[in-house]
Amino acid sequence: AQSVSQHNHHVILSEAASLELGCNYSYGGTVNLFWYVQYPGQHLQLLLKYFSGDPLVKGIKGFEAEFIKSKFSFNLRKPSVQWSDTAEYFCAVRMDSNYQLIWGAGTKLIIKP
Amino acid sequence: SAVISQKPSRDICQRGTSLTIQCQVDSQVTMMFWYRQQPGQSLTLIATANQGSEATYESGFVIDKFPISRPNLTFSTLTVSNMSPEDSSIYLCSVAGQPYGYTFGSGTRLTVV
Repeated sequence: AQSVSQHNHHVILSEAASLELGCNYSYGGTVNLFWYVQYPGQHLQLLLKYFSGDPLVKGIKGFEAEFIKSKFSFNLRKPSVQWSDTAEYFCAVRMDSNYQLIWGAGTKLIIKP
Repeated sequence: SAVISQKPSRDICQRGTSLTIQCQVDSQVTMMFWYRQQPGQSLTLIATANQGSEATYESGFVIDKFPISRPNLTFSTLTVSNMSPEDSSIYLCSVAGQPYGYTFGSGTRLTVV
């Protein structure tokens, strides 16, 4: 079955540390890839998305993600995190012409000031 | 991208009763999605609602428990029927925009007592 895996359920970092959150999916066809963020008490917001073209995608708030097709991965990165990045991060994948998104389990990120 | 107004934002309901959640979109959209996000978990798709046709439910969700209406291209409702404490969750509506972006409502936090 098609699935999306986020390997780290909880990540704790200090401010200014570098961040990489893993996302892998199991599907061999065409995909659209998304990272969403949910700040405490707020609704889901789109961080970035990949449809085609340059596999390195830049999003809001200094986040970027790289699509590596051979690894079925779409890892989220940020070179230097801030306390305000404390949130839950979700990877989601749209597979072929299906409009539904398949969601990862989410990663709770806590940044220590 | 579309802006979604979702109501109510939260409610506390007695078991055995029903709650109807409304989503109003500021533009016409073909596809609307209803999700459930249980505490500490990722999003689970309940159903996909297209205007003019019956909603399509995912495995584990049935129309009798979660009836959905989609009377036009800007509005949809989800009813949680005959509620039990296990229905306590956050319910979210989402729309698929162009190109393949997804926008989410702010969610309805439901507590069943």
